[in-house]
This record gives sequence, C-alpha cells and structure tokens, in this order.
Amino acid sequence: NAGVMQNPRHLVRRRGQEARLRCSPMKGHSHVYWYRQLPEEGLKFMVYLQKENIIDESGMPKERFSAEFPKEGPSILRIQQVVRGDSAAYFCASSSLSSGSTDTQYFGPGTRLTVL
Amino acid sequence: KNEVEQSPQNLTAQEGEFITINCSYSVGISALHWLQQHPGGGIVSLFMLSSGKKKHGRLIATINIQEKHSSLHITASHPRDSAVYICAVRNTGNQFYFGTGTSLTVIP
Repeated sequence: NAGVMQNPRHLVRRRGQEARLRCSPMKGHSHVYWYRQLPEEGLKFMVYLQKENIIDESGMPKERFSAEFPKEGPSILRIQQVVRGDSAAYFCASSSLSSGSTDTQYFGPGTRLTVL
Repeated sequence: KNEVEQSPQNLTAQEGEFITINCSYSVGISALHWLQQHPGGGIVSLFMLSSGKKKHGRLIATINIQEKHSSLHITASHPRDSAVYICAVRNTGNQFYFGTGTSLTVIP
C-alpha cells in the first residue's frame, strides 16, 4: 500500500542544466498536484493535472517550467535551464477525485532541488 | 495581504497542554486543509473541511464559513506533535493558497 512516491529525493544541478522531478501517485489516484516550498517560505501551488491533461497551471512560472502526467508512468515536473532561485523543495500530492470535490490529498516526501 | 493568515506564527507549549492554532482566509473557498510538516520536511494532510468539525484522535479541526475562520486544536499535546502546521484553502476557482505555517514546539 505505497503512498505517493517522489524521486529523486535530492537533486543537485548546475545553473543551466535541466531538472526532472518524478511523482508516482497513490494507487487508484488519477489527480496530481505539484507544490513548491522556497527556503523560509510557505508552500505555493504550481499545477494540477489529471491523466494526459493539465487542469490548472496558474501557479507555474511562465517560462522554463512544464509538467505532464502521461497515460502511463509518473507525473513529471521539468525545469529547464535551472537558476539558483529554483532551489526549493518540490512536493507532489495525489487524490482520487477532482479538486472540485471534497477529497483529501496525500503528499509525497518531496524532492529537494539544489542549484549550484 | 495574504489570502490565508495563520496565528500564532510560533508556539511553545508544555506537554499535556491544549493547543489552538487559528486560520483566517479572505477568499470564498470550496475546501480548507490542515497540513503537518515535520522537521524532516515531509507533509501529512491532517484534515480537509468544507463545513463543521472533524476529529481524529487528539486532533480537532473546526471551520466557520460565515466568519472565514478555522481552528486546529490539539488535546493533551505531546513532544511528537512538534511540527509546522499549515492551513491551506482551495478557492471556488480551484486555486490554492497556503498560510505561512505555525511552528509548534511541545516541551516534555
């Protein structure tokens, strides 16, 4: 009965490289949310996806960031040409029902991205 | 001004004390979440509320929709309750807003 899984747990990148963060939702969950927690700041919503669809990306930076949740496999948060300001903890959560319903979200352990 | 405000920011309590953490929000919501983040960084969803009150063990969460206010109570607090407690709301447009958290330390 695995929970939400994220990998890697820690990721170090140099400026200009790409970062790929993976999130496998709980079994049976088809809704995935990505959040970012900058150092000394609170969580911020980034994007909400269902299988093969981006439902709400209002929290995603307009450039360099993209997310997908393919029919098969984990959800991927991709950051191109990383900068030091991208250093943060990135959390993924999943739920079994849409965000318009009253279903709780289950969080993964997070990926801590450090940009050198 | 943040859409979600929590108080207090920091809280220190003696083991066994009754603890209350408050959350006020300024947007219309479809749901409110209470989250717990431990020092290691992991996040656990404690409650999701759209009305009334929920109880789980020593934790109780209440929400007053008219007053746009929620409280998280911990009865008989224990050092293992030490964590950051975060209030988060989902507005009617399905956007999410988070409070900056309340850092709780329970002293044995």
